[in-house]
Amino acid sequence: DTEVTQTPKHLVMGMTNKKSLKCEQHMGHRAMYWYKQKAKKPPELMFVYSYEKLSINESVPSRFSPECPNSSLLNLHLHALQPEDSALYLCASGDRFGGLLFFGSGTQLSVL
Amino acid sequence: AQSVSQHNHHVILSEAASLELGCNYSYGGTVNLFWYVQYPGQHLQLLLKYFSGDPLVKGIKGFEAEFIKSKFSFNLRKPSVQWSDTAEYFCAVLVDTGRRALTFGSGTRLQVQP
Repeated sequence: DTEVTQTPKHLVMGMTNKKSLKCEQHMGHRAMYWYKQKAKKPPELMFVYSYEKLSINESVPSRFSPECPNSSLLNLHLHALQPEDSALYLCASGDRFGGLLFFGSGTQLSVL
Repeated sequence: AQSVSQHNHHVILSEAASLELGCNYSYGGTVNLFWYVQYPGQHLQLLLKYFSGDPLVKGIKGFEAEFIKSKFSFNLRKPSVQWSDTAEYFCAVLVDTGRRALTFGSGTRLQVQP
């Protein structure tokens, strides 16, 4: 079992819906990450939070909006997504150096 | 910008065969190197890592990797694979810049036949 918890595990949404993905860790890590993974592809970095501040945004469309309410929680707010946004969304946490990551099981998102 | 190449996209082996998966990176400075594994239906998890020191590093489940700086390589090896090693394997690099985030290779799907 992973120590990074993501909810929900599966999500189906329409292109006009607003939904949120949630991630929680209690390992005391001060860096948290959102990755997007398409089938049979490597994870692609979306956002990095370091000490609750957004430190990296990989030119992600504004229909994805991250939020880090505190050091244990990370959210990804979704609005007006497109079918091509369907993917596995992975949350990870780690130390401030960025390499030793603990991944959650992901949210499998389908946009209809 | 740094990049990571995994040339073996799909490898099929029989149980007890030896394994070597290639990983090459492009970056001239100091690197930290990682192998992550994703078993079917499970989350990504760290297999092994190299930061400094002995270039031969050992990880979980009998895996090892060797950092060869002159070849910009970090190949993953296992002397004898098991059916339970069937998974997707990702090589990743962390470079000594302000951008503290991993760059992943494209992955190698390993299928071990009983």
